[in-house]
Amino acid sequence: EVQLVESGGGFLQPGGSLRLSCTASGFSFSSYSMNWVRQAPGKGLEWLSYICSLSRTIYYADSVKGRFTISRDNAKNSVFLQMNSLRAEDTAMYYCAREGIGGHRDFDYWGQGTLVTVSS
Amino acid sequence: DIQMTQSPSSLSASVGDRVTITCRASQTISSYLNWYQQKPGKAPNLLISAVSTLQSGVPSRFSGSESGTDFSLTISSLQPEDSATYYCQQSYDPPRTFGQGTKVEIK
Repeated sequence: EVQLVESGGGFLQPGGSLRLSCTASGFSFSSYSMNWVRQAPGKGLEWLSYICSLSRTIYYADSVKGRFTISRDNAKNSVFLQMNSLRAEDTAMYYCAREGIGGHRDFDYWGQGTLVTVSS
Repeated sequence: DIQMTQSPSSLSASVGDRVTITCRASQTISSYLNWYQQKPGKAPNLLISAVSTLQSGVPSRFSGSESGTDFSLTISSLQPEDSATYYCQQSYDPPRTFGQGTKVEIK
């Protein structure tokens, strides 16, 4: 069974940093690209970042470029999101999502999310 | 960046009704259009990929179609368990933008 489990969320003040983790199981993690998506309270989905299977290609949304860094450790079946210079508007549920391997670039499996709250 | 304009933002329909949600892309996205269903407090769930490919386990009352840069998700006979928010997403180019979402409620 494919599982994605996020961790690392929490409450912090503006300007702080946080590192989110997403640990995968039930599939060959090193063969799949991964994404991070967030959802502010009561709002829609916002794609944040993409990393390919071997970390050679990385993309970011403009809203987080320069502040967030995506990385992965295939030996540990994990993808990470390092978040720096956090702002109140970064408050959201953060999901990792696996990109399907069929060439359609859909997000076929999602974690349950980890909540990040940024407030003074 | 490619913008995805989804409509309506919400709708209320009766059990058995036919419901259609549309998404318009700001430029060509070929067939890189996916649909997700999200229920309150849950992660999104992939319903349809590549415009019209139904994911395993998704009821056949769901279908997807396209006309140029306009895409549609149709529920042929609305069921109580279809109460959710639906999002389109383009996966043609980064950023992999989502539509604003359509909240479907049962009358």
